[in-house]
Amino acid sequence: LAKTTQPISMDSYEGQEVNITCSHNNIATNDYITWYQQFPSQGPRFIIQGYKTKVTNEVASLFIPADRKSSTLSLPRVSLSDTAVYYCLVQDAGNNRKLIWGLGTSLAVNP
Amino acid sequence: DTAVSQTPKYLVTQMGNDKSIKCEQNLGHDTMYWYKQDSKKFLKIMFSYNNKELIINETVPNRFSPKSPDKAHLNLHINSLELGDSAVYFCASSLRGRPGETQYFGPGTRLLVL
Repeated sequence: LAKTTQPISMDSYEGQEVNITCSHNNIATNDYITWYQQFPSQGPRFIIQGYKTKVTNEVASLFIPADRKSSTLSLPRVSLSDTAVYYCLVQDAGNNRKLIWGLGTSLAVNP
Repeated sequence: DTAVSQTPKYLVTQMGNDKSIKCEQNLGHDTMYWYKQDSKKFLKIMFSYNNKELIINETVPNRFSPKSPDKAHLNLHINSLELGDSAVYFCASSLRGRPGETQYFGPGTRLLVL
């Protein structure tokens, strides 16, 4: 059963690249890794998903090493509007589809 | 054209009362979920339904009873509300409930039990 661990909070400044790492040591072969973003007073929304190696979309990049025991969400050149909580999610395909959410990383982007 | 909607948005009530939260999705998804988010932002899944059938039932008090009249609706009824039930409750849906599918969340219902 995969368990996820991520930093509680991070601080950054506008224009910087931010990397948030999630550890999932017991990830199973078929599990996907998904990251969600949550703004205050809103529900989480999908950012990016990967299985292995690197995935990039218009919002972020996701780096997953070969052993898949961690994943790193990379936000290029953050702005104030990227201030949010970021969740790492691993869905355990083999255990009644159990959803293992991280506790979330609260990112504060400062001017 | 809201994809996942919840009512009410805010709910303030007294201990011991019974209340319901409603959720509807117009995405044509088969699977719907209820989550509880506490003050520390911890997201905990409570229930999941696939085509009106319960597929995930985490360890929650039996005061919480989900009901799915059809696959577009998943309501949550809470009996004998307690102070610890105060939280934000999110409804979500995904296409088939398969691993890796994107979940679409509603705006949340903020429940305060006094």
